[in-house]
Amino acid sequence: QVQLVESGGGVVQPGRSLRLSCAASGFIFSSYGMHWVRQAPGKGLEWVAVIWDDGSKKYYADSVKGRFTISRDNSKNTLYLQMNSLRAEDTAVYYCARETTVIAQFFFDSWGQGTLVTVSS
Amino acid sequence: DIQLTQSPSSLSASVGDRVTITCRASQSISRYLNWYQQKPGKAPKLLIYAASSLQSGVPSRFSGSGSGTDFTLTISSLEREDFATYYCQQSYSTPMYTFGQGTKLEIK
Repeated sequence: QVQLVESGGGVVQPGRSLRLSCAASGFIFSSYGMHWVRQAPGKGLEWVAVIWDDGSKKYYADSVKGRFTISRDNSKNTLYLQMNSLRAEDTAVYYCARETTVIAQFFFDSWGQGTLVTVSS
Repeated sequence: DIQLTQSPSSLSASVGDRVTITCRASQSISRYLNWYQQKPGKAPKLLIYAASSLQSGVPSRFSGSGSGTDFTLTISSLEREDFATYYCQQSYSTPMYTFGQGTKLEIK
């Protein structure tokens, strides 16, 4: 079965960095685009970043552009999110999600359990 | 950027009720609209994709409709496990798929 497991969250001071990982199993990882989505405490879902199946293209939400970098290692079936210059407003649960395409329709059919990032001094 | 506005933001209903949640897009998105359910402390779960296609394993009491700018998610007869928060998501503006602000469905 498809499984996505995030790790790497924790408490970090403002301005510091953190790298999240998402380990994938149960499917051909290199065939799927992958996303990061976050959710601040008590708030809604915010799309963060996407990476193409082969890693050739990456896109970011304006709120993280220039500070966060999405990457992947298809040989390790792992997705990453490098977060630099962290701010208090980056505090959230971060989810990785698999994008599936059916007849030119796109959706997230599998999600990880999430990892909590808290930015605080 | 495409904005999605859900209404209502919260809703109280009883087991057995028929419930409808609306999602309005700031511009036409054809049928590129998905619905997710999220329970407290859990990851979102896909319910409906392409406005009206039921994801495998999702009960048939869930249905979606709409196209263009106006979409609805309907639960035909609420069950206790349906009390959760629901989000719409547009996949028209690929690959940056934004979400609505959510609708919290509570027990009356």
